[in-house]
This record gives sequence, structure tokens and C-alpha cells, in this order.
Amino acid sequence: QSALTQPASVSGSPGQSITISCTGTNSDVGAYNFVSWYQQHPGKAPKLMIYDVTKWPSGVSNRFSGSKSGNTASLTISGLQVEDEADYYCCSYAGGRIFIFGGGTKLTVL
Amino acid sequence: EVQLVESGGGLVQRGGSLRLSCAASGFTFSNYDFVWVRQPTGKGLEWVSSIGIAGDTYYLGSVKGRFTVSRENAENSVYLQMDSLRVEDTAVYYCTRNGEGLHYWGQGTLVTVSS
Repeated sequence: QSALTQPASVSGSPGQSITISCTGTNSDVGAYNFVSWYQQHPGKAPKLMIYDVTKWPSGVSNRFSGSKSGNTASLTISGLQVEDEADYYCCSYAGGRIFIFGGGTKLTVL
Repeated sequence: EVQLVESGGGLVQRGGSLRLSCAASGFTFSNYDFVWVRQPTGKGLEWVSSIGIAGDTYYLGSVKGRFTVSRENAENSVYLQMDSLRVEDTAVYYCTRNGEGLHYWGQGTLVTVSS
């Protein structure tokens, strides 16, 4: 299975909103409502931001939101803050306890 | 507090073996699946292996037959035995708990395979 497709980079100014897309196939993103998103700062372990397409883990700001249409999932960050600058990865369940990650998107907050 | 602590990484020659351990605490270990994810330096995340509650195992194609995941509920630990290591296996290896997403991650352990 190939990695999910994400843009290599996105940028925005503080206070703005950005959206990161994650495109898979009808065997992964399109087949299951088990898309999750992870934030990773340099040198740190990834942090779960969204699971099951739209749900927030406890402690995660509701400035982060997820959605899905067909084979493409999206992460939207509203009210951008400087500390949101990080790498973001999508991940989809692909059946049989197999997971597929996206290639990652570097978010720059200008 | 949920904690996952990996250990066992290090430098090994091509063709060698390493055994990674993941010690869990702060939750009922036997109720969860676990997943190993790796990240080569400067690159993205890659799913490596999963182990279910019943001990059922699943592997990335490129590691199948070389890596073996196991769990020991009595020790609250998950293991990843890595044999016939290749240079392309060089990465930070993370242990994660599966349940409402990959919610909890360890700090990672670096595996370096030299040629």
C-alpha cells in the first residue's frame, strides 16, 4: 500500500485558518471512518490531534477540526497560533490492523 | 498517567538483530492493541507492525519474516524482535497504544543499522 498523499507544506499567518488535505483510496480513507491526525514538533513524539475523522482527544483545542469526503480527509486549523507550527501527519486504518500514514505536511506560521 | 517507554535501540551491523521493548503503565494493558511506528531521520512516519489483544500479529510487507512482535500481559510489555536488519531499517521506533486513534506514544528508541 502506498502512503497517503499530503501537501509537502502549507503556511498561514497568526489568526488565519488553514486546511491540510490527505488523499487515499477506497481501500483506506474511503473505506473506513478511522482517519487520525498527528502533530509533531522537532525532536518530539507525535501527538494525536483528531481521531475517527472528526473527534478530539481530551485536551486538544477545538481550533483543530477534521472532515472527510470520499477518499480525501482534511484537517483544518483555525485561529492559527505560532505554536501550531509543526509537521502534521494523517493516518488511515486500512483493514487487518494495518495503518497507512501520509507523507507529512510542514506547517509554517508566518 | 499512561506511559509507554521504549528501550533496546542501538547501533547494529547489517544482518544483525535487536530486540525492542515497550514498557506500559497507567492503564489495563491487556485491553489494548499496540502498534510499532518508525521514522527515519528527517522523514515521515511509517507503520511497522500491530499486535492485537489476542496476540494476533500484522506486519509491513518489507519487514515480514524478519520482525516479530509479541506481548507479555503479565509484564505489561510489548516487544519487537528485529532480525536480518537492513540499512533501510534505520529509524526511531515508537511504540503506540491503539484505541481511539494512536493516542499514546513512547519517546522512541533509535535503531541505526550500519553497512
